[in-house]
Amino acid sequence: DQQVKQNSPSLSVQEGRISILNCDYTNSMFDYFLWYKKYPAEGPTFLISISSIKDKNEDGRFTVFLNKSAKHLSLHIVPSQPGDSAVYFCAASVTSGTYKYIFGTGTRLKVLA
Amino acid sequence: DAGVTQSPTHLIKTRGQQVTLRCSPKSGHDTVSWYQQALGQGPQFIFQYYEEEERQRGNFPDRFSGHQFPNYSSELNVNALLLGDSALYLCASSGQGISTDTQYFGPGTRLTVL
Repeated sequence: DQQVKQNSPSLSVQEGRISILNCDYTNSMFDYFLWYKKYPAEGPTFLISISSIKDKNEDGRFTVFLNKSAKHLSLHIVPSQPGDSAVYFCAASVTSGTYKYIFGTGTRLKVLA
Repeated sequence: DAGVTQSPTHLIKTRGQQVTLRCSPKSGHDTVSWYQQALGQGPQFIFQYYEEEERQRGNFPDRFSGHQFPNYSSELNVNALLLGDSALYLCASSGQGISTDTQYFGPGTRLTVL
């Protein structure tokens, strides 16, 4: 049962344009969401997080949007840079009494110069 | 400031053997979680250690066990290795034992079971 889904395995974007990565979840108990970036041969690097009490969180070029009614979150990268090319994972957790993150299967972003 | 470190980087074992993977958390962190990432998949939670105790466990068999030491470092042990245990094993650390505290990952140990 895949509780966190990233339905686009890959995405190509031109340098300087916006990258939008999407993530859907099924468990309405999830109340904390994160995005990680992963380069080959490295561990996932934390990018940005959002609590379910918010619908938007911004950090520099990265913005995460949360739509609780649709059980959907998205990561916007503006402007996209070639160094952003990596696999992006969304993760979710239920913060009351559990500590594990549930990850999606990832989206490979390629930013074209 | 040292981040999360893991050893070894790569490991090759044969079916039925046992393996121990090691993790040192980020400075100031006291909680260690272990994840398994199979090829083409997202990381899957194995278990989490806090105050030297296993606090939560994912859907993994008892062949997977762990330990946390007083200095907060941790080991993951896998017994009776199966071919399906081949994966990237990730350690993540977080602070203060708070469930919302962000987990920071190490580079992983690539385990190949032949």
